[in-house]
Order: sequence, then structure tokens, then C-alpha cells
Amino acid sequence: KNQVEQSPQSLIILEGKNCTLQCNYTVSPFSNLRWYKQDTGRGPVSLTIMTFSENTKSNGRYTATLDADTKQSSLHITASQLSDSASYICVVSGEGNNRLAFGKGNQVVVIP
Amino acid sequence: GAGVSQSPSNKVTEKGKDVELRCDPISGHTALYWYRQSLGQGLEFLIYFQGNSAPDKSGLPSDRFSAERTGGSVSTLTIQRTQQEDSAVYLCASSLWSQGLSSGANVLTFGAGSRLTVL
Repeated sequence: KNQVEQSPQSLIILEGKNCTLQCNYTVSPFSNLRWYKQDTGRGPVSLTIMTFSENTKSNGRYTATLDADTKQSSLHITASQLSDSASYICVVSGEGNNRLAFGKGNQVVVIP
Repeated sequence: GAGVSQSPSNKVTEKGKDVELRCDPISGHTALYWYRQSLGQGLEFLIYFQGNSAPDKSGLPSDRFSAERTGGSVSTLTIQRTQQEDSAVYLCASSLWSQGLSSGANVLTFGAGSRLTVL
């Protein structure tokens, strides 16, 4: 069973609208959680990294939240733009572990 | 360089042939990682290097896969006797080595990947 589950698998949103992507994980003990954006044909690019003590972190129109008690994270995209069309990957690192657990990604398509 | 460079960007080969994929990390990044991304799947860890040594190669799927890194810089991933199930995007990432990936300060920078298609 995958240690990182993301939902929805894919979604289509209108330009200018907001959306929220979900990530649930089972990695324990937890160290940090990362959100990456992967454009088609490109490598993933880091959006945020959150450690245990951080609940919210923003990067422009992207805001990530973390609830380490319930092992859940969300990525909120505000006022979506066409360039936000991409796969958003949730990645979790365990304490003392040099491995990363990757989700399968949320595929977002923004349409005009 | 300014980013992580991978070559070739696309490779089509026949089953049974050997392929070599190259990764040129960001200058000064001592840690280098190889991942495989298959369609509809999350990234799969293959191997990582700290300098020229590979402390963890347990992600390599079979003994047909090998990787080396020379001069603490360029790395090559070699797949011998390729099979159709090897078809995937092979991603390389590098980072400054601090406390490993359990450190929130350790940011991975990925290359664009090498797309391998085995016919």
C-alpha cells in the first residue's frame, strides 16, 4: 500500500477559480512534507517544504497546510492561471530516513 | 551548471539493447539521486550517491541496472539488456548534503528527465 495517497486524481477548473488538493500519508515517524509541481515533460519543482511544527506555508498563490496529528496535508491554489496546469506531487520524508515517499500526484487542468 | 541536466531527453531502443542515461548535477551538489517515473505511478527511488559512493542502491530493480558517479559530479545510469517494462521517465535530482532528506532544509532539484521507450 502506498504510504502517500493523493486526491482527487485529476480535476479540471476554470481559470480564476480556487482549488484544493489533498494528501494523506502513513509515513512514521514523520520528518517533513513537500509539495512539488511537475509540468508536462519537465522534472518536479519544489513549491513548499513543511516540518512537523509548521501548519501553513505559502508560496505566491500556493498555500500548503499540514496536520501532523491526522497525517494530512492540503495544497490550495488561489485564482488559478492556465500555467497552473500540471501534476502536483506530495512527498513525505520519514525521520532518520533518507528515502522519500511519493504520491502519484494530482493532475490539475485549468481551462479558460 | 544552472540546473540539473539530463541526456538524452528521449531514447527509443530495441529490447535487449543496453542504454546509458547521463545526469549532470548542479555544481557543488554532493548528493545525487536517480528515480524512475512510470505512467500513472509515483516516483520510484533507484539509487543515491553521496560524492562518488552509493550508500543506498537497494532501489535498483534488478542486476541489469547499475549506476556510477565520477569526480563527485556526473552520473550515468546503465540498463543492460533492456526490457519493455523498463520504459519510463528516469529522473535525476541533486542537493546540497546537510542532514539527508529528513532535513527540511535539503531541497531536491530535479532534471527534466530521460524518457526511455523500449520496443
